[in-house]
Amino acid sequence: QQPVQSPQAVILREGEDAVINCSSSKALYSVHWYRQKHGEAPVFLMILLKGGEQKGHEKISASFNEKKQQSSLYLTASQLSYSGTYFCGTAAYSGAGSYQLTFGKGTKLSVIP
Amino acid sequence: GAGVSQSPSNKVTEKGKDVELRCDPISGHTALYWYRQSLGQGLEFLIYFQGNSAPDKSGLPSDRFSAERTGGSVSTLTIQRTQQEDSAVYLCASRPTSGGHNEQFFGPGTRLTVL
Repeated sequence: QQPVQSPQAVILREGEDAVINCSSSKALYSVHWYRQKHGEAPVFLMILLKGGEQKGHEKISASFNEKKQQSSLYLTASQLSYSGTYFCGTAAYSGAGSYQLTFGKGTKLSVIP
Repeated sequence: GAGVSQSPSNKVTEKGKDVELRCDPISGHTALYWYRQSLGQGLEFLIYFQGNSAPDKSGLPSDRFSAERTGGSVSTLTIQRTQQEDSAVYLCASRPTSGGHNEQFFGPGTRLTVL
């Protein structure tokens, strides 16, 4: 089951903040966040393991609430370079020691001057 | 070290022809995925290989699509009798293992255009 991301798209001015949400109907082991710029392959940002941890990357941080099966990505003081499509990937146990990684449809973030 | 590589980078074909897309994962990575991404859309899961286990083919859109992975390394995605709706970027990705804590590394993709 594909995780649900919201919003689908957001436009920010430089310096503004944004939150991207990701929720799943399955019990999750971890949540992955990736960013894809136009015409390029997705690039890894961070992984959050169950335990409610938070992580940060530049001025981008994320949280993971495994009880609610939700994760949020926080972008603070956005820069033009943050523009792109953000995907969350949820890892759930799929049997035989494997974890299936399933991606959401993405959130398109546009940062304008 | 070398990342995930895919070939060709671009493929233009005529409707009804068969195409083969190749993926070379990072050496030693046991998990390999194929995704399809249509213009402006998300990542559509196609197929997943994990070691010597039977692949998870649950995402293949029709029986015209098939994939194999030889020797636990290189993978080939084959599309038979291509249709215009098959036009998309096909992305391959690999992970060190199938553990839930492993980052996924994407290749640059193959852009397929069916005329």
